[in-house]
Amino acid sequence: DGGITQSPKYLFRKEGQNVTLSCEQNLNHDAMYWYRQDPGQGLRLIYYSQIVNDFQKGDIAEGYSVSREKKESFPLTVTSAQKNPTAFYLCASSPGVNQPQHFGDGTRLSIL
Amino acid sequence: RKEVEQDPGPFNVPEGATVAFNCTYSNSASQSFFWYRQDCRKEPKLLMSVYSSGNEDGRFTAQLNRASQYISLLIRDSKLSDSATYLCVVNMPTGRRALTFGSGTRLQVQP
Repeated sequence: DGGITQSPKYLFRKEGQNVTLSCEQNLNHDAMYWYRQDPGQGLRLIYYSQIVNDFQKGDIAEGYSVSREKKESFPLTVTSAQKNPTAFYLCASSPGVNQPQHFGDGTRLSIL
Repeated sequence: RKEVEQDPGPFNVPEGATVAFNCTYSNSASQSFFWYRQDCRKEPKLLMSVYSSGNEDGRFTAQLNRASQYISLLIRDSKLSDSATYLCVVNMPTGRRALTFGSGTRLQVQP
């Protein structure tokens, strides 16, 4: 089945630690995205990539980094500079930037 | 003014009722519009695209009003399973090239 796989489902971060969230898609989509969602709030765009080896900052990129070395993969690193990382992180992909996005089932990140 | 604005609700309606949500957008050049559904603690899922002529999918009808810059979602014969948050999504042709999500309207269908 085609889809988007995020891992892990739950992740805990220690103080001063960087953690990486995985996102893999087999939909052959060019565009991929990372969002953050806080309880009771909407989605906020962290980074997006329209094509391999290219990515753009979204609204809340500070404290996060990404890479897009392969079409299928768009990992997100939450660095120690992100002081309030506890949230629900969603990865999405689409054929192009103005087309509907398909989401993975998310990673919940908490601070230990 | 927010780029995409929705009434957060909640809209509390009895089973069988008809309910409608509106969503306003700020950019008159926007061309792509969608409604998503998000269940509690789950990922958003595409409900339907919104076309200029309006479109229907079973109990759901979506419409676009370009003059007033809003889209609407009508749900007829509400079911308990329709309880969710409904997200309005619009493309922003200028500036950031990615779809913009509204914060959502929460619907609670009651028995």
